[in-house]
Amino acid sequence: DIQVTQSPSSVSASVGDRVTITCRASQSMSSFLNWYQQRPGKAPKLLIYAASNLQSGAPSRFSGSGSGTDFTLTINSLQPEDFATYYCQHLYTFGQGTKLEIK
Amino acid sequence: EVQLVESGGGLVQPGGSLRLSCTASGFALSNYWMSWVRQAPGKGLELVANINQHGSPTYFVDSVKGRFTISRDDAKNSLNLQMNSLRAEDTAVYYCARDVRPGPTLYWFDPWGQGALVTVSS
Repeated sequence: DIQVTQSPSSVSASVGDRVTITCRASQSMSSFLNWYQQRPGKAPKLLIYAASNLQSGAPSRFSGSGSGTDFTLTINSLQPEDFATYYCQHLYTFGQGTKLEIK
Repeated sequence: EVQLVESGGGLVQPGGSLRLSCTASGFALSNYWMSWVRQAPGKGLELVANINQHGSPTYFVDSVKGRFTISRDDAKNSLNLQMNSLRAEDTAVYYCARDVRPGPTLYWFDPWGQGALVTVSS
């Protein structure tokens, strides 16, 4: 099975900052990597699918990139509603999550 | 509007049983793979089980094999998770989610239900 390692586990940032979250796989996942946002007490929501495709309704400040074993979720110009936990997912495996906190 | 609503969560003693349901609106469950994903308190996401569009279970995480079953009721447009021999470590919020599968090795979960809390405790 492919192992997926997400980093960092937590990050502090301020409104307006740019943040990058990474998922690394133990072997190639091609472009088959998705990203979710989970706000406290809420269900996860799909943000990015197939590495770089923005889900309908997701703000354009979110972007995804990467292929093979290394993938990145970038959030430009952080907004207050972006402070949440982010997960990557490949097949049956989720990353460990990255909690984005307000500095 | 495409929506999933879970029901059936609650408090159950170790060794007991519970049945979760997930009712879909805005689409026919029978056209999609569907999944149950759980989240233990303060922890990450874990795929528990899924079922294909033909109604056949295709995956169970090792920790629930032999104890959980997944099924679909097309007449009610609902997905079920029967949980038997429950353990404290099964305590979690259980989400149902629709699989979007453009290919056999590419799929994602969208949308998700609001979640149902299952607490296993004496």
